[in-house]
Amino acid sequence: GAVVSQHPSRVICKSGTSVKIECRSLDFQATTMFWYRQFPKQSLMLMATSNEGSKATYEQGVEKDKFLINHASLTLSTLTVTSAHPEDSSFYICSARYLNEQFFGPGTRLTVL
Amino acid sequence: LAKTTQPISMDSYEGQEVNITCSHNNIATNDYITWYQQFPSQGPRFIIQGYKTKVTNEVASLFIPADRKSSTLSLPRVSLSDTAVYYCLVGLTGGFKTIFGAGTRLFVKA
Repeated sequence: GAVVSQHPSRVICKSGTSVKIECRSLDFQATTMFWYRQFPKQSLMLMATSNEGSKATYEQGVEKDKFLINHASLTLSTLTVTSAHPEDSSFYICSARYLNEQFFGPGTRLTVL
Repeated sequence: LAKTTQPISMDSYEGQEVNITCSHNNIATNDYITWYQQFPSQGPRFIIQGYKTKVTNEVASLFIPADRKSSTLSLPRVSLSDTAVYYCLVGLTGGFKTIFGAGTRLFVKA
């Protein structure tokens, strides 16, 4: 089946630094990928839709200058959390669309100290 | 996008059948119904998808009445490892802008 990976699985950083999270489709090409954020005991919240070769589409309330998304190839999308703060600590999950199905990555746990 | 409503939580015992109902009154004609399972600190995992009537796979069944305003995920003979959050999603296949509802937290007890 289609596999989506994320790297790193966990990251701890200091406040004010930037963190990059990678999302890869391992055995298929994905023109569209999605980024979600999930706080403890809450549901997944869609942050943005990442389209290969074009700008990402952000959901209302998500700061595009803080959460930079780059979908440079058909197998890789990156999410960069710029100038991270403790309130950005969360579980970030990506997904990719393939053959009318959506496949999710394992998630990245970000902790900002 | 059709909004979904599910029970916040459910408890069950090992070996029992569990039915989780999802309400989606505003489902559109082209929408499919998809259920995902999520364990703590993991990404959601696809369980089953359907459009109408009944769909069955190796892990679950999905019952959809004729009006499609609700659906029921049926998990036969649950085990402790089925303790997870279950999400009902309604939309076009392929997850065009998939929006997650609150989900149902299922707790299976020994």
